[in-house]
Amino acid sequence: AQSVTQPDIHITVSEGASLELRCNYSYGATPYLFWYVQSPGQGLQLLLKYFSGDTLVQGIKGFEAEFKRSQSSFNLRKPSVHWSDAAEYFCAVFPNFGNEKLTFGTGTRLTIIP
Amino acid sequence: DAGVIQSPRHEVTEMGQEVTLRCKPISGHDYLFWYRQTMMRGLELLIYFNNNVPIDDSGMPEDRFSAKMPNASFSTLKIQPSEPRDSAVYFCASKGSYNSPLHFGNGTRLTVT
Repeated sequence: AQSVTQPDIHITVSEGASLELRCNYSYGATPYLFWYVQSPGQGLQLLLKYFSGDTLVQGIKGFEAEFKRSQSSFNLRKPSVHWSDAAEYFCAVFPNFGNEKLTFGTGTRLTIIP
Repeated sequence: DAGVIQSPRHEVTEMGQEVTLRCKPISGHDYLFWYRQTMMRGLELLIYFNNNVPIDDSGMPEDRFSAKMPNASFSTLKIQPSEPRDSAVYFCASKGSYNSPLHFGNGTRLTVT
């Protein structure tokens, strides 16, 4: 079964600093990969997705993620964070065939300090 | 597009009562998912439907939980009887095709006292 690991439970960065959130997946083949963001009291919103092709994908709100097959990673990055980026971020994996379950990581809570 | 609509947003009930959570997926979406989110267990998939048919309910914790999708525009998740450990945020999500992303509702925060 596929799994997703987000090793950082909580990250604090200064406003304007760069950000990288880590995500590692375990799956036999190349899965479909997603990053979602959850603001307090809200549902999850899709930031970006990777299905195939270019390993660097661009998303909304200035986020990007890079798929690295050799490292089984799909890390999320942003060059300069804004206070409004404070939220919970979830990486998710979906197998490209077979069952249709989207498996989520445990999430990384991002705090922005002035 | 109104997005996925869930009701109620908040539900407080006493142990032993029946609770019904409701979801209206995005029009045209063929898949509907129910997730539960807690601090301890994170996001758990409870059940999902394809074209109104339950496909996988292996995540439903107990027989106290049941879900239905009588038509393409409506689904319910029922807990009977409810217990304090059912307290969580329940999310409904839908998607249009097999490999398209999930669209989430804003969730129902359930508190069972």
